Amino acid sequence: QSALTQPPSASGSPGQSVTISCTGTSSDVGSYNYVSWYQQHPGKAPKLLIYEVSRRPSGVPDRFSGSKSGNTASLTVSGLQAEDEADYYCGSFAVSKVFGTGTRVTVL
Amino acid sequence: EVQVVESGGGLVQPGGSLRLSCAASGFTFSSSWMTWVRQAPGTGLEWVANIKEDGSEKYYMDSVKGRFTISRDNAKNSLYLQLNSLRAEDTAMYYCGRDRGFHTIDYWGQGTLVTVSS
Repeated sequence: QSALTQPPSASGSPGQSVTISCTGTSSDVGSYNYVSWYQQHPGKAPKLLIYEVSRRPSGVPDRFSGSKSGNTASLTVSGLQAEDEADYYCGSFAVSKVFGTGTRVTVL
Repeated sequence: EVQVVESGGGLVQPGGSLRLSCAASGFTFSSSWMTWVRQAPGTGLEWVANIKEDGSEKYYMDSVKGRFTISRDNAKNSLYLQLNSLRAEDTAMYYCGRDRGFHTIDYWGQGTLVTVSS
């Protein structure tokens, strides 16, 4: 099972929005509404931001939102803040569990 | 408060073995699928293995099948990963986590580093 494809980097100024894509196949992202997104700051463990495409765990700000269309899922971070600078990974349920390649978000 | 704490990592020679442990608290461990995820230096996340609540089902990524063994002790709220026949490409931070279902990992430990080198 190949990793899901994410852009290596994305950036935005404080207050702006940034959207990260996560492209899979009809065997993973396209078949299941079980896409998750994780945030990882340098040297830290990943943190769950979004699950089941668009649901947020308790405590995650509503600035983070998820969606899916076909084989591609997306994470949007609205109202960018300095602390949003991190690596972001998607994950999808499939026969073999897969993660995305990761996107480094830079706040300009 | 949820706590997930890994231990057991270290430096090991190629072909060697290690046993990683993960101690969990703050949630009902015996009712939770658990998973191991690894991250090689400077790279992305890679799912390694997971195990059903009662240990009756175990799944592995292809490259570790036959070399790694996941297990659990619900009486001790602990998860384990036995790593055998280690290779340089197994060098990574190994994270333990709770899989709430369908590959959604909601609780993560801080990781334990495994380095395979001569």
